[in-house]
Amino acid sequence: AQTVTQSQPEMSVQEAETVTLSCTYDTSESDYYLFWYKQPPSRQMILVIRQEAYKQQNATENRFSVNFQKAAKSFSLKISDSQLGDAAMYFCAYRTQTQGGSEKLVFGKGTKLTVNP
Amino acid sequence: DTGVSQDPRHKITKRGQNVTFRCDPISEHNRLYWYRQTLGQGPEFLTYFQNEAQLEKSRLLSDRFSAERPKGSFSTLEIQRTEQGDSAMYLCASLRAWGEKLFFGSGTQLSVL
Repeated sequence: AQTVTQSQPEMSVQEAETVTLSCTYDTSESDYYLFWYKQPPSRQMILVIRQEAYKQQNATENRFSVNFQKAAKSFSLKISDSQLGDAAMYFCAYRTQTQGGSEKLVFGKGTKLTVNP
Repeated sequence: DTGVSQDPRHKITKRGQNVTFRCDPISEHNRLYWYRQTLGQGPEFLTYFQNEAQLEKSRLLSDRFSAERPKGSFSTLEIQRTEQGDSAMYLCASLRAWGEKLFFGSGTQLSVL
């Protein structure tokens, strides 16, 4: 079974600075998706960024980028120019890529990000 | 695209009572998921529907839990004889097709007293 580990329960960053959230995962599959989700106090899970395992290029979405190290099974999220609105719980998640499967997500325990003004 | 809608937003019940939650997925999304999130944890998969067929259930889904998706549209999750350990947020999500983006609702927060 796949597992996802987020070793940082809490992180803080100054507004406009850069912060990196860590995630490692365990799987025997070669093809899969990895995700970072944001969960603000409103509780709705919002997709931040996703990475296909077969792609070597790291995904980027505006101020958000990932460092995907497949061999090390590491998938960190970098937030540049942090904004107050980035404060939230961040979850790393894994999804199998097997077509015909349920595509269920396996989540880590989350990292609470605080952005200080 | 009105998003995934869940009702109620909050539910407080006494131990032993039955509760039912509803999820309305995004129109034309044929895949629907239920997850449970307890305090300090990430969401955990409960069950998955493709259209009206329930294709996968987690071991977390005990006999007291039942989920339906009649006609492949909205879904309900019922918990019978609630226990304090059932207190959690129950999230619904929907997906149009394999490989596409998953959309989450805002969840139903259940408190069992």
